[in-house]
Amino acid sequence: GAGVSQTPSNKVTEKGKYVELRCDPISGHTALYWYRQSLGQGPEFLIYFQGTGAADDSGLPNDRFFAVRPEGSVSTLKIQRTERGDSAVYLCASSLAYDAAGIYEQYFGPGTRLTVT
Amino acid sequence: EDQVTQSPEALRLQEGESSSLNCSYTVSGLRGLFWYRQDPGKGPEFLFTLYSAGEEKEKERLKATLTKKESFLHITAPKPEDSATYLCAVQANNAGNMLTFGGGTRLMVKP
Repeated sequence: GAGVSQTPSNKVTEKGKYVELRCDPISGHTALYWYRQSLGQGPEFLIYFQGTGAADDSGLPNDRFFAVRPEGSVSTLKIQRTERGDSAVYLCASSLAYDAAGIYEQYFGPGTRLTVT
Repeated sequence: EDQVTQSPEALRLQEGESSSLNCSYTVSGLRGLFWYRQDPGKGPEFLFTLYSAGEEKEKERLKATLTKKESFLHITAPKPEDSATYLCAVQANNAGNMLTFGGGTRLMVKP
């Protein structure tokens, strides 16, 4: 079946501009995650959703970053007043329902490469 | 704070030359350890989940093992198509569903 999809695949923006990155999870997956990956490093957790609500947003670096998932499916990561340090690959993942006692593998999308000039 | 360290950072092998990648972790209660493969310009691809010390899992030329402090990804008789970055991640009991990743090992297999 279809995997996690992310759009756009590449985004170039000027410092100070606003950007939105979109994620479509695997059908039937109720948990959705955002990670950020800088060149040569492993992904770093930003936020995850169970359904429509943000279950954990402890990884968001500051209040310029915000994410929504209004209908419990597609999610949008929003970055205000972008800075050059925000340049990275933003990865989205999804998994079956979150369960505090269980472990569900996270499946990743191809990522959006954000470049802030 | 949960920490994951992978070594070596980069590894070059000749085709057929077996080797192992290391993932050392410090976590306050391990719920699961995950191995992913990442090709250039793509997202991580899930390989294995390990839950408890002593567990082993295999897939083609790859075998993952787990102890209380580290995990190994053994690659037997690798082929050039095994070239990729291999990422290790942990999920802790007290950290919800977030994954903490290591920096990865970049593997290059030459024919």
